[in-house]
Amino acid sequence: QKEVEQDPGPLSVPEGAIVSLNCTYSNSAFQYFMWYRQYSRKGPELLMYTYSSGNKEDGRFTAQVDKSSKYISLFIRDSQPSDSATYLCAMTDSNDYKLSFGAGTTVTVRA
Amino acid sequence: KAGVTQTPRYLIKTRGQQVTLSCSPISGHRSVSWYQQTPGQGLQFLFEYFSETQRNKGNFPGRFSGRQFSNSRSEMNVSTLELGDSALYLCASSSARIQGTGELFFGEGSRLTVL
Repeated sequence: QKEVEQDPGPLSVPEGAIVSLNCTYSNSAFQYFMWYRQYSRKGPELLMYTYSSGNKEDGRFTAQVDKSSKYISLFIRDSQPSDSATYLCAMTDSNDYKLSFGAGTTVTVRA
Repeated sequence: KAGVTQTPRYLIKTRGQQVTLSCSPISGHRSVSWYQQTPGQGLQFLFEYFSETQRNKGNFPGRFSGRQFSNSRSEMNVSTLELGDSALYLCASSSARIQGTGELFFGEGSRLTVL
């Protein structure tokens, strides 16, 4: 079983819909939580960064961390075709500081 | 500010050969990490260097090695290539003093195909 589980999708939504992405994890030492976006043939780029539990909002993006359930989420409001990409969750083990990524969820927003 | 530069972008090798990939981090970044990305396994951590020292290593065989130079540029080497080594190899740099606690800036990757 992988330390970080993420449904690879694909996920297809109409423009303007809310996109909901999530990851579950098993390592209770994970303390830093991130979401990266990767466009085709590009490297990942950081979208959201959260330390420990709680919510964080940045424009149309909201990240949630629930450490008690070992569950993190990313919500994209008013989705746009330009949001079509693969979204990867990532988290850092506070013991050895290794970064673990989810498999990535491929999202397509239809115009 | 220039981003992370990886060379070569694409390469084809045959089994048994070796390959060296290069990464130039963002100016001022002292941490360089390497990742292997495949459709089946996703992004997997290979190793991380900070100021020429390997600080962390993932669960890859010894055929995978790397180094970092005094100007923070990094190289990774894969010897005795296997078909399963075909992947996108991504380099990322960071200004964070502690790995995994800051933003990673990724290059566009080197796509290796092993025949």
